[in-house]
Amino acid sequence: DAKTTQPPSMDCAEGRAANLPCNHSTISGNEYVYWYRQIHSQGPQYIIHGLKNNETNEMASLIITEDRKSSTLILPHATLRDTAVYYCIVLLYSSASKIIFGSGTRLSIRP
Amino acid sequence: DAGVTQSPTHLIKTRGQHVTLRCSPISGHKSVSWYQQVLGQGPQFIFQYYEKEERGRGNFPDRFSARQFPNYSSELNVNALLLGDSALYLCASRPGLAGTTGELFFGEGSRLTVL
Repeated sequence: DAKTTQPPSMDCAEGRAANLPCNHSTISGNEYVYWYRQIHSQGPQYIIHGLKNNETNEMASLIITEDRKSSTLILPHATLRDTAVYYCIVLLYSSASKIIFGSGTRLSIRP
Repeated sequence: DAGVTQSPTHLIKTRGQHVTLRCSPISGHKSVSWYQQVLGQGPQFIFQYYEKEERGRGNFPDRFSARQFPNYSSELNVNALLLGDSALYLCASRPGLAGTTGELFFGEGSRLTVL
């Protein structure tokens, strides 16, 4: 079973920041938080990952709470192309190929 | 640079038949994983191969098998197809067992329909 809990769906206005929450209350100390997304009919795409510090790359920011029991993926300026299912995953770095995907959050960007 | 490529992109089979799906990883990637994605659900891990050896297996019956070749490409085989095997089959690659970035690169998938 997936170790994460995400809302099944969210929506966001184009140009605004999309904040996707994820709960992972049973995360262990050496497990990372990964985010992937899957645009319709395509393979999943890696977005970002982190251990305990906040991370930022060209796609998104990842904010992990101090107790590491939850995190938020932030898409700073959402566009229509960001419409996708977003998966929050926790796993050991060494097991990063054996991902257990949950149901994810279906993010809809409205014009 | 080419990403992960999979073939065929779409195929239709009937119950009881056998299917072979193929995957070419990104150049330089030695680890290949296979996932099954049934409509409306997240992908499910099937196999991981690294250096031609199976390094992980998900909860799938023995009808599912795979192998990795010296050039790191891979095949997924499914025997005695069932209607429930209809799904998108995804291949993913990464440089090694524990890459420097941790990210997995997915192909676009092979969509299998079993009638």
